[in-house]
Amino acid sequence: LAKTTQPISMDSYEGQEVNITCSHNNIATNDYITWYQQFPSQGPRFIIQGYKTKVTNEVASLFIPADRKSSTLSLPRVSLSDTAVYYCLVGVNRDDKIIFGKGTRLHILP
Amino acid sequence: DAGVIQSPRHEVTEMGQEVTLRCKPISGHDYLFWYRQTMMRGLELLIYFNNNVPIDDSGMPEDRFSAKMPNASFSTLKIQPSEPRDSAVYFCASSLGRGGNNSPLHFGNGTRLTVT
Repeated sequence: LAKTTQPISMDSYEGQEVNITCSHNNIATNDYITWYQQFPSQGPRFIIQGYKTKVTNEVASLFIPADRKSSTLSLPRVSLSDTAVYYCLVGVNRDDKIIFGKGTRLHILP
Repeated sequence: DAGVIQSPRHEVTEMGQEVTLRCKPISGHDYLFWYRQTMMRGLELLIYFNNNVPIDDSGMPEDRFSAKMPNASFSTLKIQPSEPRDSAVYFCASSLGRGGNNSPLHFGNGTRLTVT
């Protein structure tokens, strides 16, 4: 599993676009980049996954530069309900372990 | 799709008692994972199964913890005897495939365990 680095916490305001960047310098050729969102008292929820360039769904966009050594999760026009912890994961170990880091604690202010 | 179902949602027990947590994965998923989450240690992988077979239990804290998966639709995590330091939220997750590349994890809502 490629090591990832993301900010511990971020604050933003309602209506703003929020970008959370994750660094993964040792990403392998066949690794995908996956983001999860966790609300208090709930399990993590898959929100988006990508391999290269840009992926967009109804929740977020994921931007991946050509070298794939980083990725940016973009949340458009956030609301208070987007307050959560966001985890970036890259690839999977040969032994199938899926290890979560500390994630980014996003706090949306009114 | 009912999602991953865990029970109970909350469990309060006294030190020394046996605790059993239950999980029903999403039908058709061949991987099942048990995680534990605390403020101090975050999300820790305890054990995972592939096609009902335990693959890696190196994350299980000690012999007091055991997990089984008797069939594709049911798994248990047992703590015997329980201790106050076992207090945490325990999550079960399942996936179709290895859970990383192109096969994301689906988590249940967890069991909040409190051991007094």
